Amino acid sequence: DQQVKQNSPSLSVQEGRISILNCDYTNSMFDYFLWYKKYPAEGPTFLISISSIKDKNEDGRFTVFLNKSAKHLSLHIVPSQPGVSAVYFCAASSESYNTDKLIFGTGTRLQVFP
Amino acid sequence: DGGITQSPKYLFRKEGQNVTLSCEQNLNHDAMYWYRQDPGQGLRLIYYSQIVNDFQKGDIAEGYSVSREKKESFPLTVTSAQKNPTAFYLCASSYDTGFGGNEKLFFGSGTQLSVL
Repeated sequence: DQQVKQNSPSLSVQEGRISILNCDYTNSMFDYFLWYKKYPAEGPTFLISISSIKDKNEDGRFTVFLNKSAKHLSLHIVPSQPGVSAVYFCAASSESYNTDKLIFGTGTRLQVFP
Repeated sequence: DGGITQSPKYLFRKEGQNVTLSCEQNLNHDAMYWYRQDPGQGLRLIYYSQIVNDFQKGDIAEGYSVSREKKESFPLTVTSAQKNPTAFYLCASSYDTGFGGNEKLFFGSGTQLSVL
């Protein structure tokens, strides 16, 4: 059973516009969420995280929003530039449950075109 | 520079053969992990280790084995019992295993394993 879901396998966005990547989770015990970026044939790199005590976290052009009641988080990238074209994974964990590992979603491939 | 080194980048396995993927880190991290990535799927945890000489099975440990004799090293052996070994394998480490605060995983650049 997929506990962390990224229902859009791919997303195409025009350069300069906003990219919104979505992630849904089923386990209400999750209280810490992360986004990772991955280029082909490379390992993922950490992008941004958010704790369940917050509903928004911002780092430069990247903002993550958390809606606990809907069990939904989203990553906003503004503005979108070709350099952000990559696969984005969301991941979740819980301090009180399964603390030893992150649960990853299936990823969304973001392509920014001119 | 500190980081995680995986080798080789590409590896080919013959039927019935065991192969070992190397993972070394110089970040002084206690915890190390092995993930497998298949097309269209998320990263799935194979094994992880919180401390030297100790490791635990992840979600898909069957057909794999690991050892943790040194803090810096966490090699993964793909045995002949793993019937579908073709995948991209990622090693990761973290300072600790409690993902409640600012903890996060640092990944290596991966090893692509293919079956001949």
